Amino acid sequence: GENVGLHLPTLSVQEGDNSIINCAYSNSASDYFIWYKQESGKGPQFIIDIRSNMDKRQGQRVTVLLNKTVKHLSLQIAATQPGDSAVYFCAENGSGNTGKLIFGQGTTLQVKP
Amino acid sequence: KAGVTQTPRYLIKTRGQQVTLSCSPISGHRSVSWYQQTPGQGLQFLFEYFSETQRNKGNFPGRFSGRQFSNSRSEMNVSTLELGDSALYLCASSYWTGVETQYFGPGTRLLVL
Repeated sequence: GENVGLHLPTLSVQEGDNSIINCAYSNSASDYFIWYKQESGKGPQFIIDIRSNMDKRQGQRVTVLLNKTVKHLSLQIAATQPGDSAVYFCAENGSGNTGKLIFGQGTTLQVKP
Repeated sequence: KAGVTQTPRYLIKTRGQQVTLSCSPISGHRSVSWYQQTPGQGLQFLFEYFSETQRNKGNFPGRFSGRQFSNSRSEMNVSTLELGDSALYLCASSYWTGVETQYFGPGTRLLVL
């Protein structure tokens, strides 16, 4: 079935520490993955994406890792800041070349000062 | 470049009424996707429009419909509203369809009484 699941509903970290948010996906045909950040009262904000022909992609303070063997995706945030506090969603494009994204349930990241 | 805009931002309706939500994509984007976000079900895909054609539809009843205009602006309509339709309705746009990054608007918060 269509399922993108997150391992932990809430992650609490100290300011300055690194954060790792995990995601498991079930559709082996998915070839495009995106991480979004959603703050209260706002729409999801694009963070970083990765295609299935890559294992790792780095952005500013963020890194996405893709392990196709175990169908696992992770988002690493370096030197976590209070402004990083939000709900993080992973999404996959599933099978078929359309604009349908399948979202995980989300992980709440809480950054303690 | 201006982001995705959605109107109205908040809406209160009663059961049985209908509602129309509007979405203006990022300039130059031709694909518009709609999602429903609720605490219980998370983010669920409603439908996608590309070049005025519906390319994909999620598992929602026929009361949910949409359309896209020649300028890529899109509307979604929900008829015969039910209490369970209370949700945040999000619109996302991308330049093309398929394996493309989708950028979200702030959403329309619909409350059905």
